[in-house]
Amino acid sequence: GENVEQHPSTLSVQEGDSAVIKCTYSDSASNYFPWYKQELGKRPQLIIDIRSNVGEKKDQRIAVTLNKTAKHFSLHITETQPEDSAVYFCAAKEGSTLGRLYFGRGTQLTVWP
Amino acid sequence: NAGVTQTPKFRILKIGQSMTLQCAQDMNHNYMYWYRQDPGMGLKLIYYSVGAGITDKGEVPNGYNVSRSTTEDFPLRLELAAPSQTSVYFCASSDRGLNNEQFFGPGTRLTVL
Repeated sequence: GENVEQHPSTLSVQEGDSAVIKCTYSDSASNYFPWYKQELGKRPQLIIDIRSNVGEKKDQRIAVTLNKTAKHFSLHITETQPEDSAVYFCAAKEGSTLGRLYFGRGTQLTVWP
Repeated sequence: NAGVTQTPKFRILKIGQSMTLQCAQDMNHNYMYWYRQDPGMGLKLIYYSVGAGITDKGEVPNGYNVSRSTTEDFPLRLELAAPSQTSVYFCASSDRGLNNEQFFGPGTRLTVL
């Protein structure tokens, strides 16, 4: 199956700074890479995703980049705010029709005011 | 739409007891999933289903069973509960098409003592 590694496990930034979280995956046929945000005690929720035919995607302060050759993808959050504090999970969908997602271990992001 | 619902929210079991975690979705999604989330370990897939009557194992299926008799419901059965099954359990569903977003339920926090 797919193996997804995520770094760092914790990240602290000052409000207004940028935050970057990186993930690598093992299955070269993987074709879909979502990022989920999970606030304390809540369910994971999709914040952005990217497909293998696209190198970069932006949505306001959030962007994701994908390097298929190197098998890594990253989440970039600019102008961070305290409400961005949460655990962020990357995931990779295996390259078959089954649709199974494999998740990274998560990054606890803390944004200090 | 209620989305994905799960019951119960919390449960304490004694070692060796059995229980069923309920999951239902009203989005007419074909794909449904069960994950467990342990601290610092991300989400691990237990079982999944690609449609009524079809289920398959994920990464960590031992000690669990599932059934999918309808599109809406996907219960997870724990037989002979063990302390290692103490975790937060999330059910999720997704569309079969190009939109691969998984929608998560609110979770069930299970403690086995």
